[in-house]
Parts: sequence; structure tokens; C-alpha cells
Amino acid sequence: EVQLVQSGGGLVQPGGSLRLSCAASGFTFSTYWMNWVRQAPGKGLEWVANIKQDGSGKYYVDSVKGRFTISRDNAKSSLYLQMNSLRDEDTAVYYCARAPTPAYFDYWGQGSLVTVSS
Amino acid sequence: EIVMTQSPATLSVSPGERATLSCRASQSVSGNLAWYQQKPGQAPRLLIYGASTRATGVPARFSGSGSGTEFTLTISSLQSEDFAVYFCQQYNKWPPLTFGGGTKVEIK
Repeated sequence: EVQLVQSGGGLVQPGGSLRLSCAASGFTFSTYWMNWVRQAPGKGLEWVANIKQDGSGKYYVDSVKGRFTISRDNAKSSLYLQMNSLRDEDTAVYYCARAPTPAYFDYWGQGSLVTVSS
Repeated sequence: EIVMTQSPATLSVSPGERATLSCRASQSVSGNLAWYQQKPGQAPRLLIYGASTRATGVPARFSGSGSGTEFTLTISSLQSEDFAVYFCQQYNKWPPLTFGGGTKVEIK
């Protein structure tokens, strides 16, 4: 059974940092693109970033470029999102998601709430 | 950036009736479109990819159609578990990958 189990959310002050993790099981992690997608409270879905199977390609939405870094550890079947210089508008539930091609999402994690507030 | 527009924002339907949801792209996305269902407090679930291919385990009452800039998700006979929010997403030209704003299907 494919599982994506997330950890690492919480409350952080503006300008602070947080790292999200996503532990994968039930499939060969190293053969899939992986993504982060977020959803602000009561709002729609926004793609944040994705990473190629071997980590050689990384792409971001403009609003997080230079502040967020996506990474993966295929030996640990884990995906990460390092979030720096956090802003109020980064407040959202963040989901990790598997992609059978680079770009649509067939399995999702349970979500991690990130609240940026003073 | 390709902008995805969904209509209507809210659709009121009685159980057993047919629901038709629309998604429009600001430029052609060919057939590179997916649909997701999201229930309150849950992660989204993939329903359709390639505009018309049902994902594993998705009931046959869900069908997708369209290409280019106009797409439709049809639920042939609404069941109680189908009342949710539905999002379309294009993956033809990225980054960024972009979603529509969603259509909420509620009980009439």
C-alpha cells in the first residue's frame, strides 16, 4: 500500500524557518517525481515545488523561489521542504504528493499545517 | 502561467442527479488535465488524468472529457459520498503547475 506520512508542521514567526518531511513507503520512491502542494485556509490548491527522481531537477512556484528548498533522500525514501524567510501568506496546509509523470498527483500525504504568525 | 477557471463555484444537486462541472484553460493544455476530489479535512484524491482516464479505483459514474481549453467532469448519478470540492489541474506547460479555483458540489 502506498503511504506518504508527513511530519514537521507547526507555528513559526514571520521570518522564521521550518522543515517539512514526507516518509514514503509501499512503492519504489526513487522512480517517482515528488511534489509539495499547499492550501491556504479555506482556499484552493497551489503547487509549490517538485523534484526529479534523482534530485537533479527542481522547480518552484515564483512566490517561494529563493526561500524554499525541496530535496529528497532516496536511501531513506523521504522528501523534504526547507522553508526559510517565512511570511504570513505561507500559512497553509502543505501536502507531499507523488507524481507518476512529473506533473499530476496520484497519492497524497495527510497534510502538515504551517502557521506563520507573530 | 496558464490560468485555470472552474465554473460554477457551487453546484447544488440532488442525490441521484447528474452533475456537470466545467474547467477552462487560458491557453491550450492539450489533453494534459487532471481532476481531483477533496472532502473536508482530507487530502485531495486523483479522479481523472489525461482529461478522460479514470484513476485506479474511481467509480465509472465519474467521467472526464474535453481537450485544448475546455474540459468537463461529469458525475452521472450523485451518491452521498460525492458531495465534495472538485479541482482541475493542468500539466501541459509548467512550471508552474496550476489548479482551478474549485467547484463545490453540495446537496440540494
